[in-house]
Amino acid sequence: AQRVTQPEKLLSVFKGAPVELKCNYSYSGSPELFWYVQYSRQRLQLLLRHISRESIKGFTADLNKGETSFHLKKPFAQEEDSAMYYCALLMNRDDKIIFGKGTRLHILP
Amino acid sequence: DTGVSQNPRHKITKRGQNVTFRCDPISEHNRLYWYRQTLGQGPEFLTYFQNEAQLEKSRLLSDRFSAERPKGSFSTLEIQRTEQGDSAMYLCASSFQGPSTDTQYFGPGTRLTVL
Repeated sequence: AQRVTQPEKLLSVFKGAPVELKCNYSYSGSPELFWYVQYSRQRLQLLLRHISRESIKGFTADLNKGETSFHLKKPFAQEEDSAMYYCALLMNRDDKIIFGKGTRLHILP
Repeated sequence: DTGVSQNPRHKITKRGQNVTFRCDPISEHNRLYWYRQTLGQGPEFLTYFQNEAQLEKSRLLSDRFSAERPKGSFSTLEIQRTEQGDSAMYLCASSFQGPSTDTQYFGPGTRLTVL
């Protein structure tokens, strides 16, 4: 069955420390993965997609098909990174997106 | 264009009543999606439209739920005979093309509380 797993509900990291938000997926097809972010009192928005291979706000994510993972990383956390982060999988056959349950990232001063 | 808008932002209703939500997508966006989000969960796909055609419906969408996009612009989501389990945030998103090539832009959501 198609599934996106984010094992951490809450991740607290000190400002300046590295951040890694974990995401694992289960999908029999060719996966396309995304990270979405929701800042406090703001709308859900796309942060990055794996096919773009870009760095957004210092965040990167590499698709590891062997480990079926798509972890989100940032070398130095900033206070403005505090938000809810959702990993998401595109089911190409149906053209719909499955979201994980999300991880709340809390950056400590 | 101020982005995707949803109305109302909050709705409180009694069990058994019908409710209707509206979503206005970004102009010229062909795709429109509805999601439901409950506490502690990520958004769950409900249905989506390509212009006025409803292309996909989730099994979550029981026959009490119906969605329309009559002119390929705004969309409505109606829930008949609401139940307490329908309490959730209902999100709408739009994009020009599919998610593989285009970004989905989300609205602020409509929070439904069924008493």
